[in-house]
Amino acid sequence: ILNVEQSPQSLHVQEGDSTNFTCSFPSSNFYALHWYRWETAKSPEALFVMTLNGDEKKKGRISATLNTKEGYSYLYIKGSQPEDSATYLCAFNNFNKFYFGSGTKLNVKP
Amino acid sequence: DAMVIQNPRYQVTQFGKPVTLSCSQTLNHNVMYWYQQKSSQAPKLLFHYYDKDFNNEADTPDNFQSRRPNTSFCFLDIRSPGLGDAAMYLCATTIIGGGTGELFFGEGSRLTVL
Repeated sequence: ILNVEQSPQSLHVQEGDSTNFTCSFPSSNFYALHWYRWETAKSPEALFVMTLNGDEKKKGRISATLNTKEGYSYLYIKGSQPEDSATYLCAFNNFNKFYFGSGTKLNVKP
Repeated sequence: DAMVIQNPRYQVTQFGKPVTLSCSQTLNHNVMYWYQQKSSQAPKLLFHYYDKDFNNEADTPDNFQSRRPNTSFCFLDIRSPGLGDAAMYLCATTIIGGGTGELFFGEGSRLTVL
């Protein structure tokens, strides 16, 4: 079992604030790192699949970076909106078995 | 339209009474996974199927079993649920050998054990 850590566990921000979360994972045998967004009563949806050291990916106001040598990824949300409220999960792909962190629960207040 | 469908969404059972959760997919993905998530914890991998090849995680209790009768369907059987098995059970699929490698999830089945 591989250890994937996410921090913080929860975050409360005001609408318009920018925020970021961290995912740390084993730096050996790296294949891919995934970010998922999970809204209450819905299914988790993929945000990013990152495979190369130094990768930076962006989708609208959300972006992510990857450092495979030191084993961490950051997720950034610029100008948070109430609809960004969700749990953000990262998953480490180890030979097509996915190991998840416990997530960061984001609450954006209007 | 939902591509990974889990049934039931909510299941209440009594201690020791067997339960079966189902997952179906319309994506023709070759890999299907079952995860267990307890409150505020990381989703924990129980099993996965690569086509018909069954892969059990070393720490998955014997009380949990799985079946994949065809590409589209996968079942999770809990033979004798205990209070500690109350959790959200997530099914996910992906395709190996094509695509982006992302997982596609169902909405989960929440199990309550009385």
